[in-house]
Amino acid sequence: DAGVIQSPRHEVTEMGQEVTLRCKPISGHDYLFWYRQTMMRGLELLIYFNNNVPIDDSGMPEDRFSAKMPNASFSTLKIQPSEPRDSAVYFCASSPDRARSGANVLTFGAGSRLTVL
Amino acid sequence: AQSVTQLDSQVPVFEEAPVELRCNYSSSVSVYLFWYVQYPNQGLQLLLKYLSGSTLVKGINGFEAEFNKSQTSFHLRKPSVHISDTAEYFCAVSMIKAAGNKLTFGGGTRVLVKP
Repeated sequence: DAGVIQSPRHEVTEMGQEVTLRCKPISGHDYLFWYRQTMMRGLELLIYFNNNVPIDDSGMPEDRFSAKMPNASFSTLKIQPSEPRDSAVYFCASSPDRARSGANVLTFGAGSRLTVL
Repeated sequence: AQSVTQLDSQVPVFEEAPVELRCNYSSSVSVYLFWYVQYPNQGLQLLLKYLSGSTLVKGINGFEAEFNKSQTSFHLRKPSVHISDTAEYFCAVSMIKAAGNKLTFGGGTRVLVKP
């Protein structure tokens, strides 16, 4: 398996622009997570899905952020409009169901580094 | 709710010396415990996990960790580090009986291995 695939790897945009980050989880994984990593706040869970359904979005910072998972092989995280404080590395991760794997081991993508000017 | 504290934000260490990274957690229920490593400009990779059984867990690249329930700790150790171990290390927990696979991460410890 190619692992969790994220795109783009780097994105530089101007304040006010819309940003869309994409993720392809590992085939057969039931859970998909979006994390944000910054120097100040470390790793924060933004939202996670189970079988394409959003389960917990309490970490989404505000209404400018939205995430979708239209099918088992694709998810997007959208920021509209973007602000400089959104600059961070955004990670997508996926995992199989605990009942099958015995524990919730997450596999992470390489991340999307976002810079908002 | 659970929380994870990594007591050292940075740990400089000489090559071939031992290293210990400290992790303490707080949870009102039983948890699974994990250590992940992040090399520069990469995603996180699983180093090792504790689910049950022996409290000493061995992982990849010569790392091991010991679960201490009474002290709510899960410290990571390596007896002899290499330059290639320079990375950031994250401790994480998840509740055993909670639905879903959510992990809570500590703030990370940056390890800098010097020649």
